[in-house]
Amino acid sequence: DQQVKQNSPSLSVQEGRISILNCDYTNSMFDYFLWYKKYPAEGPTFLISISSIKDKNEDGRFTVFLNKSAKHLSLHIVPSQPGDSAVYFCAASALDSNYQLIWGAGTKLIIKP
Amino acid sequence: DSGVTQTPKHLITATGQRVTLRCSPRSGDLSVYWYQQSLDQGLQFLIQYYNGEERAKGNILERFSAQQFPDLHSELNLSSLELGDSALYFCASSVSGANTEAFFGQGTRLTVV
Repeated sequence: DQQVKQNSPSLSVQEGRISILNCDYTNSMFDYFLWYKKYPAEGPTFLISISSIKDKNEDGRFTVFLNKSAKHLSLHIVPSQPGDSAVYFCAASALDSNYQLIWGAGTKLIIKP
Repeated sequence: DSGVTQTPKHLITATGQRVTLRCSPRSGDLSVYWYQQSLDQGLQFLIQYYNGEERAKGNILERFSAQQFPDLHSELNLSSLELGDSALYFCASSVSGANTEAFFGQGTRLTVV
């Protein structure tokens, strides 16, 4: 049973436009969410996180939105740049599971020139 | 460079064999995590060690085992290998036992033939 779902395996966006990556979860006990970015042949790198007490967290071009009632979070990248082309993983954790991260399958973002 | 070192980068071995993957965490990090990523899948948490002791177990098969040594490096042992064990194996480390903002190594690509 997938507790964290990224339903879009890939997404193609024009350079300079907004990229929106989506993530849905089923476990209402999740209280911390993270986005990681992964280039080919490299390990994932931490991008941005959000606690369940917030509904928005911003870091430069990256903003994560959390909608707890819908059990949905999204990552917005504005403006999109060629270097943003990568696989983006959403992950979630809960205090009652010792904060072990549960990962989505990833979305491959392709930024077109 | 995340500061987490994994060796070897690539490994090809036959079914039924046993291999050992090695991980050196970032300096100062006490927690080490092992993840498996099969083709087009998300990251599956295998096991976590904190300061030499097992902290949490995920979907780790009985044929797999791990340990963290006094110098904090970790080894993941995979035995009686099957074709389905072919995957990328990532090690990550973090300062604390809380599984947030972990830093990943580049991974070991295991191919079982």
